[in-house]
Amino acid sequence: GNSVTQMEGPVTLSEEAFLTINCTYTATGYPSLFWYVQYPGEGLQLLLKATKADDKGSNKGFEATYRKETTSFHLEKGSVQVSDSAVYFCALSDRKDDKIIFGKGTRLHILP
Amino acid sequence: DGGITQSPKYLFRKEGQNVTLSCEQNLNHDAMYWYRQDPGQGLRLIYYSQIVNDFQKGDIAEGYSVSREKKESFPLTVTSAQKNPTAFYLCASRVGQGINTGELFFGEGSRLTVL
Repeated sequence: GNSVTQMEGPVTLSEEAFLTINCTYTATGYPSLFWYVQYPGEGLQLLLKATKADDKGSNKGFEATYRKETTSFHLEKGSVQVSDSAVYFCALSDRKDDKIIFGKGTRLHILP
Repeated sequence: DGGITQSPKYLFRKEGQNVTLSCEQNLNHDAMYWYRQDPGQGLRLIYYSQIVNDFQKGDIAEGYSVSREKKESFPLTVTSAQKNPTAFYLCASRVGQGINTGELFFGEGSRLTVL
């Protein structure tokens, strides 16, 4: 079946550092890919998405590119802020059966 | 405002009791989902429903039941058969039967603790 694997946390960085959170997937078809973010005490919200190969999703300074050849969707940000501290989830949507599958999440701590 | 409302936010139950978590949405979304979130496990899909009066098991459906009698409502019952029910439960919905952009809108969650 489909699956999503993302790097384990926690990840701790200083403010203004460069961020990469790795995400790889396995899927039988051509899924859509997503990054969701969960701020402390809140539900999840969509951060960015890409629906086909080579698409780049971007939002709030975060970017991720859908790489079919490496089955990856790594999340990047050039300069993180303390307010970016949250848990980040990579997710996959299968068009065939409407299942939406999440990775285990990566907790990010940004130090001032 | 449109959104998803989960209740209660916190719930305690004794072993052997069934409990029902409520999820209501006024977004006019067709599909609704229940996930369970545990530390280190991420989100795991319990049940999902693409249209009224229809639902499918997710990856961890054992010990849970759902109904979808109305478009806006998708309650989850945690039964006494669920061996480890203490967890954070998240309900979500998305637009468009047959149009799976995958973008989910989440409620704020219900935290269930079994004593």
